[in-house]
Amino acid sequence: DSGVTQTPKHLITATGQRVTLRCSPRSGDLSVYWYQQSLDQGLQFLIQYYNGEERAKGNILERFSAQQFPDLHSELNLSSLELGDSALYFCASSVGLAGRGTGELFFGEGSRLTVL
Amino acid sequence: DAKTTQPNSMESNEEEPVHLPCNHSTISGTDYIHWYRQLPSQGPEYVIHGLTSNVNNRMASLAIAEDRKSSTLILHRATLRDAAVYYCILRDGTGNTGKLIFGQGTTLQVKP
Repeated sequence: DSGVTQTPKHLITATGQRVTLRCSPRSGDLSVYWYQQSLDQGLQFLIQYYNGEERAKGNILERFSAQQFPDLHSELNLSSLELGDSALYFCASSVGLAGRGTGELFFGEGSRLTVL
Repeated sequence: DAKTTQPNSMESNEEEPVHLPCNHSTISGTDYIHWYRQLPSQGPEYVIHGLTSNVNNRMASLAIAEDRKSSTLILHRATLRDAAVYYCILRDGTGNTGKLIFGQGTTLQVKP
C-alpha cells in the first residue's frame, strides 16, 4: 500500500460525457502528479501540482483539467470524452518537489476509465 | 529531458541474478538515474536511484558506469514476483519539478 488513494477504481461512461477522478496523496506529501497509461502510449505525464499550484505540464489535452485543493487532494476532470480517452489514470505524490534528483514518487493503484 | 534506451524484453530463471541494462549517452552532470518498476495491474513503484556511485538497497543494486553513459539494475535473485516492466529514468537534479518521464521500459519475464 503506497498510501496514495484514488477513486473510483473503475468507471464506465459514454462518449461526450464528463468525469472526475480523485486522488488523496500520502499524508504530508505536497506534490501530486497525474499520469495516463494506455496500451499504445505507455505512461504519459499529464500534470503536476505542488501545494495547490500548477508546477509542470505535460501532454494534457485541453479537454482535461486538474486542480489541487487546500487539503492537498487533487481532482482530474476529463470532459467531452472520446473513445481514445479510455486508459488507466494514475496519481502519484511526493514529499516535495523532488527536483534535486532525489525523492521517490508514490503511485496509487489507478482509476480505469472505459469510454463506450 | 535526456533519453534512455532499454531492451524491450528480457527473460530470467527464478533464483538467478538478473542484469537489466540502460543506456543514457546524453546524460548531463546533474541527472540522477532512477529505476521504477510496474507489476501487472499496479502503479509503478520506486526501486532505486543514484548519481555517480553504485547503490544498494533491499530490493536491488544499481551499477553506474564510470562515464555515466550507462547503468545496470541488478536483481540478485529473481523471484516470480519480480516479473514486471522496469523503467530507467533520468531526472534533472537542478530542476524544480519532480516529474518523471517514463519510456517504454523492459518487460522482465521470470521463469520458474
